[in-house]
Amino acid sequence: EVQLQQSGAELVKPGASVKLSCKTSGYTFSNYYMSWLKQMPGQNIEWIGNIYGGNGGTGYNQKFKGKATLTVDKSSSTAYMDLSSLTSEDSAVYFCARDYGGYVMDAWGQGASVTVSS
Amino acid sequence: DIQMTQSPASLSASLGETVTIQCRASEDIYSGLAWYQQKPGKSPQLLIYGASSLQDGVPSRFSGSGSGTQYSLKISSMQTEDEGVYFCQQGLKYPFTFGSGTKLEIK
Repeated sequence: EVQLQQSGAELVKPGASVKLSCKTSGYTFSNYYMSWLKQMPGQNIEWIGNIYGGNGGTGYNQKFKGKATLTVDKSSSTAYMDLSSLTSEDSAVYFCARDYGGYVMDAWGQGASVTVSS
Repeated sequence: DIQMTQSPASLSASLGETVTIQCRASEDIYSGLAWYQQKPGKSPQLLIYGASSLQDGVPSRFSGSGSGTQYSLKISSMQTEDEGVYFCQQGLKYPFTFGSGTKLEIK
């Protein structure tokens, strides 16, 4: 069974950074992309970017360049997303999703809530 | 960026009723479209990919169609468990983009 287990909720101060993780199991990590997505309360879903598990190659939404950095650790089949210089606009739920071909996000993590507050 | 326009924004349907949700892309996306269902507090679940292919495990009352810039999701017989928010998403070009969602409720 394909599983994506995300790290827990984060409460961080403005200006700080946070690193979210997405640990996978049940499939060959290096054969798939991993997308990261943002959803603010009651809002649309925004695609942040994706990373290929095989070689770490990335694609970013221009809106999130400089804000998000995607990495992978193949040895532990885990994807990571660093979010930097956090503001209240970064308060949201962040999802990781296995991405096969761009329009096939067929397995999702449970989501990680990030709250930016002093 | 490719804009995805979904309609209606909300919809109420009776049990057994047929429901159709529309999605229009700002340019031809060559069937590079997926539909997702999201329930409150949960992550989205893939229903349809490639505009018309049913994801494994998804009930056959769900179907997708369309081409070019116009796509639709049909639920042939509304069930209580179908309540939720439905999103379309294009995966043809970076950045991948989503429609604004359709909230579906039981009448």
